Order: sequence, then structure tokens, then C-alpha cells
Amino acid sequence: GENVEQHPSTLSVQEGDSAVIKCTYSDSASNYFPWYKQELGKRPQLIIDIRSNVGEKKDQRIAVTLNKTAKHFSLHITETQPEDSAVYFCAASGAGSYQLTFGKGTKLSVIP
Amino acid sequence: GAVVSQHPSWVICKSGTSVKIECRSLDFQATTMFWYRQFPKQSLMLMATSNEGSKATYEQGVEKDKFLINHASLTLSTLTVTSAHPEDSSFYICSAIRILASEQFFGPGTRLTVL
Repeated sequence: GENVEQHPSTLSVQEGDSAVIKCTYSDSASNYFPWYKQELGKRPQLIIDIRSNVGEKKDQRIAVTLNKTAKHFSLHITETQPEDSAVYFCAASGAGSYQLTFGKGTKLSVIP
Repeated sequence: GAVVSQHPSWVICKSGTSVKIECRSLDFQATTMFWYRQFPKQSLMLMATSNEGSKATYEQGVEKDKFLINHASLTLSTLTVTSAHPEDSSFYICSAIRILASEQFFGPGTRLTVL
């Protein structure tokens, strides 16, 4: 089955700096890669996603890049703000399956 | 956007009792719903995939006789934790997929505490 590795597990940045979180996946058939933000005790919220036919996608301060050859994808958050502090999860799902395999999460702390 | 609700949002029960959690898609039809379990400071672990009108598919290591799933309609799936024990205490989250779409919409979660 699919295996998703996520790094780092914790990340602290100064407000205004950029944050980068990286994930690798094992199943070359995976074709959908969403990123979720989860605040304590709440549901995961989709913040951005990318499909295998696209190499990069951007939405305001958030961007995701995908390297299919290397089987890794990354989340980039620019101009970080204290409200960006949360746990971020990457995930992957394969062709013909809607099941998501999640990474272990990254706790992002943005220091004012 | 699509809305998924869960009920109850939290429950405390005694060891040995059963607890039912409902997951509803409020404004769309969901052919598939997923049930996840999340322990503190850990990731979401898929427990089972629930398809309307058919038996749920359980992930390896998840006891199907302990975690009963019923997907009775295109808008409702239920998870029953039977004979709950303290180690079943966790945050249970469901998600639903809209027909012909791949994005999963998550419910708000149910925090189960077994005493």
C-alpha cells in the first residue's frame, strides 16, 4: 500500500518568514495530493491540493510543488502569520481509489 | 462548500457499553464515506471505507466486529463502537466524497472517552 513520509515533524519560524514542509510517497500510481491544516480539536481543513498532471499550484501565500519522478511534494507558506500556527498534514491517494494516506503531520509554530 | 456533520461531538461512556456515532452529508450525496481515528498528537488513521448499500471495507488491524459501520443512505453513515474500552478513547472523524469528485469533506469529529 501507499506510504507517505512527512518532514519535519515540528517547525518554528518567525512571523513573516517562509515555511516549507516536504512529503514523499511510495506508490507511483498516486495522483492526488492534498494538504490539510488542523487546529487542536478540530477537523482537518483542505488548504490546497495538486494532481499529478500539474507541477505547481499557488493560492495567495500558499503553494504546492510536485515532482512525480522523485515522488515528492512540498507545501510552501510565505509571509507566515501567527494564525498559520497549526498541524499540517500531507496526503496521497491513488488512481481508482479515493482513500487518503496521511503523513504524520508537521506542527508549525509562527513566532510573533 | 459541502458540509459534513457528526453527532455527537463528544461522548463519555463506561467501559463495556456501546456508542454510536453518526456522520451526515448535509447538502450533497456521498457514495463513499471514510472513518478515521486520531490519537493525541498523531495523524489520522483510516479505519474503514463505507459505501452506500454494501459492506464496509476495514483496514488491516481494525476489528470489524468491534467497529460496526452501516451506510444506510447516500447521506448517512454510522460507526458503532461495541463493548468500548479505555483504549478506544480517541477522536473519531468521518469524511465524505461527493459523487464524481475526489475531494474529501471532513466532519467535525467526535471525541470518545471511555472510563
